Amino acid sequence: QSALTQPASVSGSPGQSITISCTGTSSDVGAYNYVSWYQQHPGKAPKLIIYEVSNRPSGVSNRFSGSKSGNTASLTISGLQAEDEADYYCTSYTSRSFPLFGGGTKLTVL
Amino acid sequence: EVQLVQSGAEVKKSGESLKISCKDSGYTFTNIWIGWVRQMPGKGLEWMGIIYPGDSDTRYSLSFQGQVTISADKSIRTAYLQWSSLKASDSAMYYCARGHIYGRFDYWGQGTLVTVSS
Repeated sequence: QSALTQPASVSGSPGQSITISCTGTSSDVGAYNYVSWYQQHPGKAPKLIIYEVSNRPSGVSNRFSGSKSGNTASLTISGLQAEDEADYYCTSYTSRSFPLFGGGTKLTVL
Repeated sequence: EVQLVQSGAEVKKSGESLKISCKDSGYTFTNIWIGWVRQMPGKGLEWMGIIYPGDSDTRYSLSFQGQVTISADKSIRTAYLQWSSLKASDSAMYYCARGHIYGRFDYWGQGTLVTVSS
């Protein structure tokens, strides 16, 4: 099963908003409200920032928000900060009863 | 606080076997899933497989089926990832994660770096 499709890179200036897309199929993103997003800084373990499409774990900034439409999920980061520069990965539950990652998106804060 | 502590870095030769571990300090170990994730140098995250220690239900990504074995010992709250015959292409960082099969994995280990020389 191929990875979910994410843009390889996005960039934005401090204070701006950016959106990262995650496109799958009707067997994964489109079929379930089980899309999660992870943030990974270089040399660190991934950190959960969004689960079940739009829910934030305790302690995660409300600058992070998630949504979904059809087979595409999106992560929006508002009020961009230097510390947001990282790699971002989506993951979705699939019809194989197994999760699937996206290819990852490198966010650069200009 | 829940912590996942993974075993230390490994340097092995092609053809050797290896078993790395992930110890869970959480309150419950039997009603959550433990997943294993590979990250090759400079590359993205890949789910390898997941296990439900409560009943040992184990599922593998098609890419890793038959290549690795995932197991768990609930008496010592530890999950394992093992190879019977390593290849140079198995060189990567391996993470364990604790959570739900739907993809919500709240806690992650620190990673185990595996280096395989040919």
